[in-house]
Amino acid sequence: TQLLEQSPQFLSIQEGENLTVYCNSSSVFSSLQWYRQEPGEGPVLLVTVVTGGEVKKLKRLTFQFGDARKDSSLHITAAQTGDTGLYLCAGLISGTYKYIFGTGTRLKVLA
Amino acid sequence: EAGVAQSPRYKIIEKRQSVAFWCNPISGHATLYWYQQILGQGPKLLIQFQNNGVVDDSQLPKDRFSAERLKGVDSTLKIQPAKLEDSAVYLCASSPSGTGFGAFFGQGTRLTVV
Repeated sequence: TQLLEQSPQFLSIQEGENLTVYCNSSSVFSSLQWYRQEPGEGPVLLVTVVTGGEVKKLKRLTFQFGDARKDSSLHITAAQTGDTGLYLCAGLISGTYKYIFGTGTRLKVLA
Repeated sequence: EAGVAQSPRYKIIEKRQSVAFWCNPISGHATLYWYQQILGQGPKLLIQFQNNGVVDDSQLPKDRFSAERLKGVDSTLKIQPAKLEDSAVYLCASSPSGTGFGAFFGQGTRLTVV
C-alpha cells in the first residue's frame, strides 16, 4: 500500500509565525499537489509541482518538491488567521494512474 | 467553467438502509474519483474511473459499495446496506486524463448513519 505521511498532524501557532509542513513517501511521484480544505468544503488545489527540486511560491506560501520526487514541503511565512484549515498533499504515483492523498495537517492560526 | 457537482449535500439514514450519491464532473475530464473522508483525515480513494472504465477499486468495500460511470460522464456511488462506520463525507473529484495537474473537487456529501 502506497502511503503519503504528513507531519505534523496538528499545528497551532500565533499569527505572524512561520511554519513548515512535510509530506513524505517511499513512492516516486510524477506530480504532487497541495490542497487546503475548509470545513464543509472539498479540498481546493493550491499548487502542482512536477520537477524534482522544483520550488514554487504563492504569495506567503512556498512549496518544494524533493530531488527524488518522493517528498515535498509547504512553508508559510507570517501566518494569518485565514490560513487556518486542513492541508493535504497528494500525488500521482509515477507510471500509474494512482492518485493518493496524504494523512493531512490541521493548522490553526490564532489571532 | 462549472465545477464538480455533487448531490445531495447531506443525507441521514438508518443503518441497513441504502443510499446513493451522484456526481457530475467538469466537462471533458476523463478521470473521476470517489473518496471517503473521515472527519479530520485525508481523503481515502474508493474508486477511480478513466472514462467509463475502472482504474482502481482496491479499497472499495465491494460487499456493500458499488459505483458506476455510464457513458464516461456522470457517476453514482451506492451503499447497500449502510453501516454506522460509513458515516463520512463522500467526495467526488475529476481531472483531465494523464496531465497530473491535480483533481478538482465537489463540495461533498455528508452522510450520517444512525
